[in-house]
Amino acid sequence: EPEVTQTPSHQVTQMGQEVILRCVPISNHLYFYWYRQILGQKVEFLVSFYNNEISEKSEIFDDQFSVERPDGSNFTLKIRSTKLEDSAMYFCASSWSSGYTFGSGTRLTVV
Amino acid sequence: AQSVTQPDIHITVSEGASLELRCNYSYGATPYLFWYVQSPGQGLQLLLKYFSGDTLVQGIKGFEAEFKRSQSSFNLRKPSVHWSDAAEYFCAVLPRAGGTSYGKLTFGQGTILTVHP
Repeated sequence: EPEVTQTPSHQVTQMGQEVILRCVPISNHLYFYWYRQILGQKVEFLVSFYNNEISEKSEIFDDQFSVERPDGSNFTLKIRSTKLEDSAMYFCASSWSSGYTFGSGTRLTVV
Repeated sequence: AQSVTQPDIHITVSEGASLELRCNYSYGATPYLFWYVQSPGQGLQLLLKYFSGDTLVQGIKGFEAEFKRSQSSFNLRKPSVHWSDAAEYFCAVLPRAGGTSYGKLTFGQGTILTVHP
């Protein structure tokens, strides 16, 4: 069964540093997403991406966040200057008519 | 305002007992409905989804869910719980704007399931 692949699975970074979270969506999916889950809380939508541009973003997705599809297979989330409150599990997802699939997540810890 | 509610934060059942996890939604029109399961430190695995048609949906691992339009509910059930079902369960909804399977998913708060031997 096709999978959404996320790397790394864990990342520890110092406050103020930039991080890039990487995702390989399912190859025939056209919509891509990032979600966030702070420990003990529910999963929250960050951003959706279609046709090489952001189609929707939440109020969480401020100027410190950016997304990019640098080639035909990768989808990245960049956090420019990390804060302690960015510590969370970040999920990538992709979708099209065949379904809506999540990756296994990247646990980001900001220290 | 659009919302998804899982009234039960934590449920404990004995192995072999039946299970029902509740999910209610508040949307202008019936959205697409999903149940995901998350084991500790793991990702989100889709258990089942409802788009249209038969209101009783079968999923993986022996789970099923029933859509009830009159109650705006999509409750998850399993007749006999196994110890390996211990996890957190999330109900999620997707508005029907446009086609199927794209757009922003809104999740409920989650229900933690503990299974006693």
